Amino acid sequence: GAVVSQHPSWVICKSGTSVKIECRSLDFQATTMFWYRQFPKQSLMLMATSNEGSKATYEQGVEKDKFLINHASLTLSTLTVTSAHPEDSSFYICSASWARGTEAFFGQGTRLTVV
Amino acid sequence: KNQVEQSPQSLIILEGKNCTLQCNYTVSPFSNLRWYKQDTGRGPVSLTIMTFSENTKSNGRYTATLDADTKQSSLHITASQLSDSASYICVVTLPGGGYNKLIFGAGTRLAVHP
Repeated sequence: GAVVSQHPSWVICKSGTSVKIECRSLDFQATTMFWYRQFPKQSLMLMATSNEGSKATYEQGVEKDKFLINHASLTLSTLTVTSAHPEDSSFYICSASWARGTEAFFGQGTRLTVV
Repeated sequence: KNQVEQSPQSLIILEGKNCTLQCNYTVSPFSNLRWYKQDTGRGPVSLTIMTFSENTKSNGRYTATLDADTKQSSLHITASQLSDSASYICVVTLPGGGYNKLIFGAGTRLAVHP
């Protein structure tokens, strides 16, 4: 149990376009989902925390108008990278938990390449 | 300065050998310390979770230790297998239990060669 699935696993897009990444909890209701970004050989960096039905809380330095997060249901959160630029190329990972302070499970990640 | 530092940065061992990965942290107090395995191009998978009062936790061939006095943790892998090739990440959770208070180490990249 406790499976979190991301889609797509990888995506290549042109500079200036927008890309949507989905994060689904397959066998539990995720009240909280987290979005991370990971550059090569670096740690995961938290971008934002989203609770179902409310606005996401963004970490300092993360542009909320560029990285749009929607958590409209207990099983789905989406991250949209708007007007993507090559420097947005990274590995984006989500995690989901069913209650504050409980174990969170990571998705398999999405490799975004902006050309 | 990163609050969670791991060493070595990378490691190569032969299949069947044991190895130990280190994690030093400055975060104090903390709720728990976790070790994750992250395969290339995949999300992290939890291996062990230890509260500050625990000093060892095993999961199959993986054994984690924690010394809260010296603020050090280690992950020992016994009888390594090719499938152990991955990054191993040490993560400290700040008090409060909220999952967004994780502090990640940069990881140790382990390569197991036949």
